Amino acid sequence: SQQGEEDPQALSIQEGENATMNCSYKTSINNLQWYRQNSGRGLVHLILIRSNEREKHSGRLRVTLDTSKKSSSLLITASRAADTASYFCATLGLSYNTDKLIFGTGTRLQVFP
Amino acid sequence: DAMVIQNPRYQVTQFGKPVTLSCSQTLNHNVMYWYQQKSSQAPKLLFHYYDKDFNNEADTPDNFQSRRPNTSFCFLDIRSPGLGDAAMYLCATSRETGENTEAFFGQGTRLTVV
Repeated sequence: SQQGEEDPQALSIQEGENATMNCSYKTSINNLQWYRQNSGRGLVHLILIRSNEREKHSGRLRVTLDTSKKSSSLLITASRAADTASYFCATLGLSYNTDKLIFGTGTRLQVFP
Repeated sequence: DAMVIQNPRYQVTQFGKPVTLSCSQTLNHNVMYWYQQKSSQAPKLLFHYYDKDFNNEADTPDNFQSRRPNTSFCFLDIRSPGLGDAAMYLCATSRETGENTEAFFGQGTRLTVV
């Protein structure tokens, strides 16, 4: 399976702390995307990083990508209770039979007030 | 304004009774995806279309079929739903499959099988 692995599976922190989630994947990619999902709701796109980029920022989000290790990390700084959600990485493959969006296993983040 | 619309939001069907979920998009995107997401799990890709080119995942059960009659609409047909098919079904679109492509998701249809 192409599905990526994320760790940790679950993360609990206090408001104001930083949260770091890691994603590993298996195939060569066009890009890697991070999504948030509140319980029982749809997926919200957070940030996209291209395969030739190493780091990207968007507000309190910082994403890194290491294509040699086939891994990415998502850092949420100064977390808020409203950041409580599941976070998924998703990769868009490069080859003909992998050019589709495949999700990692996800990290459940709980931020306590 | 919603750009990827899934109907209905909630669907209850009887065991073995065929059911169809629908997805429409106003983005004129070439690529459309169907995912199945069970509780506390990641979305699992069932199929995707590049225009009319249909791509079935190897582990998608034969019980699941899909139709894309035009660019805007895509349907997921479950021929004989079982209790194990209860899940959230997510539709997504993207313009293409290039390096800048992001996907846009609908709100999902939660399917209950009774």
